[in-house]
Order: sequence, then structure tokens, then C-alpha cells
Amino acid sequence: GAGVSQSPRYKVAKRGQDVALRCDPISGHVSLFWYQQALGQGPEFLTYFQNEAQLDKSGLPSDRFFAERPEGSVSTLKIQRTQQEDSAVYLCASGVSNTEAFFGQGTRLTVV
Amino acid sequence: QKEVEQNSGPLSVPEGAIASLNCTYSDRGSQSFFWYRQYSGKSPELIMSIYSNGDKEDGRFTAQLNKASQYVSLLIRDSQPSDSATYLCAVHSGGYQKVTFGTGTKLQVIP
Repeated sequence: GAGVSQSPRYKVAKRGQDVALRCDPISGHVSLFWYQQALGQGPEFLTYFQNEAQLDKSGLPSDRFFAERPEGSVSTLKIQRTQQEDSAVYLCASGVSNTEAFFGQGTRLTVV
Repeated sequence: QKEVEQNSGPLSVPEGAIASLNCTYSDRGSQSFFWYRQYSGKSPELIMSIYSNGDKEDGRFTAQLNKASQYVSLLIRDSQPSDSATYLCAVHSGGYQKVTFGTGTKLQVIP
């Protein structure tokens, strides 16, 4: 596709529910990032993939957060047992290197 | 101390004026610097990248980097109402995979 595609655009989850957020990066982009953005804040790094390898997961806030990119293309961010503090916009970005990144539209997660 | 610091604003400038946005960073080993524009409710859009000291110009935008002062700025000439957005400074430190963002400066261009 022409840009990074994320789905769903909006997700409402009941507290304790598991959610899965999908990211389809720009074709050929080796690098893929996940960020979390709270209202009025800048994006906070969660994790980074180079192809299928997860090279940095230092930003994942707890063991309830898990990300994968099994074939080096599409990535899924999974959040188990969602909590209210998980409510945020989850941004995926891809790039040809590990620096310049192009963002998708994001998934707005609301935990009720 | 935050890794990347920006004044949250809002910064208000009249249409046609120069808008100056500033950013400081804490890691002296940082290698790459970026400016993103984010409209309300939208995702960040990369507008400038700079890797070496000095100025880099692209149309109405000029990025300035001073590694000795750990300072990076973005100048927007002939500001337009459509430039009204939040501008995010982002810094990549060599050896680490992540790019760290500031909280952003909200710019308002007044017609």
C-alpha cells in the first residue's frame, strides 16, 4: 500500500479484555516501531523490529504487552487484561532504516 | 531531566511571520534529529531530518542543529494558518533503536 495501515482505527475494550492491534507497514520497509501516545503527550516508544527480529522491547510497560512480526511484514501488538491506563493512541511506524519513520493513522484504544 | 524537552506553547504568530520552535536534548551521543508535524487527531508526519551541525533548508522550513549546545530548532518562514499544529522534536541516539520524542509545541498561526 501507499502508507502504513493500522486497524482497527478505534477499539473500545472492557477492563480485563485482551486486544490485538494490527499494523501493515509500507512494503519493503525493514524497520517497524510501535509507539503509545497519551492525550497531550508526545509518542512514547514501545518496541522496535528489524524484519522479524524484535531488537528492542524496552518500552513495553508491562508483561501484559506483547508484539510480534513473524514474517517481517505485518505486526501485531497484543495487550492482555487491559487496564484503564492502557487507554491511548497506539501508533505504528515503518522505515527503511531505524531512524526516519513514517506513521500510520493510529488505533485509539479506550478501556472502560 | 527529560531526554527531549520542548516548550508546550501555544506559540502564536501572525500569518506571514517566522515561527521559531526549539528543542533541547540530554544525550550528548545523539546522532539524528527529526521534526514531525501533528495535526489534531492525526498521526505525526515527518517534515525535516538533520544529522550534522548547521542549517538545513527545505522550502519554508529550516532545521538548525547545534550539537555542542544540544539544541535543535525549526524555523517556519511565511507562516500560514495551515501550519497550525503541534510540532514534535525527535532524537535518535546512536546504539539504541528507539527514537525519543518531546511532548511537542503547539503552534497557532493567526490570520
